[in-house]
Amino acid sequence: QSALTQPPSASGSPGQSVTISCTGTSSDFGGYNYVSWYQQHPGKAPKLMIYEVSKRPSGVPDRFSGSKSGNTASLTVSGLQAEDEADYFCNSYAGSNNWVFGGGTKLTVL
Amino acid sequence: QVQLVESGGGVVQPGTSLRLSCAASGFTFSNYGMHWVRQAPGKGLEWVAVIWNDGGNKYYADSVKGRITISRDNSKNTLYLQVNSLRAEDTAVYYCSRDGGQSGYDYVFDYWGQGALVTVSS
Repeated sequence: QSALTQPPSASGSPGQSVTISCTGTSSDFGGYNYVSWYQQHPGKAPKLMIYEVSKRPSGVPDRFSGSKSGNTASLTVSGLQAEDEADYFCNSYAGSNNWVFGGGTKLTVL
Repeated sequence: QVQLVESGGGVVQPGTSLRLSCAASGFTFSNYGMHWVRQAPGKGLEWVAVIWNDGGNKYYADSVKGRITISRDNSKNTLYLQVNSLRAEDTAVYYCSRDGGQSGYDYVFDYWGQGALVTVSS
């Protein structure tokens, strides 16, 4: 599997919504719904934001939501806040103990 | 609270070997699978390897298979990554991460360390 495809950048003004896509092949997603999203601020470790396509771990604001249609997963950030400015990476469990990440999207809050 | 602390990074010459460590605390280490994920400077994340809780099952990304060995010592709550025949393209921050399966987060990386920078340069 090669990396999942994400747009290199996305942006929105405070209060707006922005959606980041993550596209792969059927083998990248392995027929599972184990898509997760990670937020990474500069110089920091990634943080789990979404798992199993659309579930949020405790402590993650409900402004973050996920979905998947076919071979494209999406992360939507609603009500953008300044602290949401970060890099976002999607990940999929491809089966057979193999995971694949997306190339990352830099989200800018204008 | 869960803590993962990597060590062992630095500047190394091409062709040499390096062993990274990840000290875990705040959870029952022996119950969890553990991963290594790396990030080249300015690049995206790349999954490297996983070792399941008893250490008997290990899996690697095709890009590193044959040069990298993941291991763990459950008595010391420590995860390791041995990287041999280092190349310039191995230059990256190496993160250890906990697999979230035992916490209900199947096949995800639910906690991450701060990373260890490995620079391969002559």
